[in-house]
Amino acid sequence: SAVISQKPSRDICQRGTSLTIQCQVDSQVTMMFWYRQQPGQSLTLIATANQGSEATYESGFVIDKFPISRPNLTFSTLTVSNMSPEDSSIYLCSAQFTGEGGDTQYFGPGTRLTVL
Amino acid sequence: AQSVTQLGSHVSVSEGALVLLRCNYSSSVPPYLFWYVQYPNQGLQLLLKYTSAATLVKGINGFEAEFKKSETSFHLTKPSAHMSDAAEYFCAVSLNAGGTSYGKLTFGQGTILTVHP
Repeated sequence: SAVISQKPSRDICQRGTSLTIQCQVDSQVTMMFWYRQQPGQSLTLIATANQGSEATYESGFVIDKFPISRPNLTFSTLTVSNMSPEDSSIYLCSAQFTGEGGDTQYFGPGTRLTVL
Repeated sequence: AQSVTQLGSHVSVSEGALVLLRCNYSSSVPPYLFWYVQYPNQGLQLLLKYTSAATLVKGINGFEAEFKKSETSFHLTKPSAHMSDAAEYFCAVSLNAGGTSYGKLTFGQGTILTVHP
């Protein structure tokens, strides 16, 4: 298991502003991921946060809208830029651990974002 | 490409009854399969995972799931539901091989489990 924390836990933001979400893992991991969970829906992968290189974005997500940093093996940030009400979602980070029985992703508690 | 289908967006059971949440997957290579649970206003908690070892996987809180390759299924069961099991459950698949898709989780749409007295 792992301890993954996110800051902030929730925020209410104005249209046109940006919010940076932090994700901290209690041990070093190679792979970290960012997901979006829109209201009443499942999780969709935004990007893979790669340490020492640019993030890898999924179809429909772009770096200008969701810039990601990964300065070391325990930390990552996701910025939601130029926000609109459609960005209101829960944003979750995850970290992949390799151990007995294969690879497992553990999730942070999520950041609940409301854009007015 | 991989995908997951969860049959039934809502399942309601009585306390003490069998819980059965259905998950079917599609994957071009042998998959890893997971069940996660999300309680209201919380993140995802791992219930159990299949990673090509035993086909019957036991998880936390009395849940288990059986990998059936012939049926491409990974249904979640619990013999006796408890009120505290009320939550949303997500089935997810990832590829267990290398390449650009490695590690990425694809989630089903989720099943909300209601347990009534």
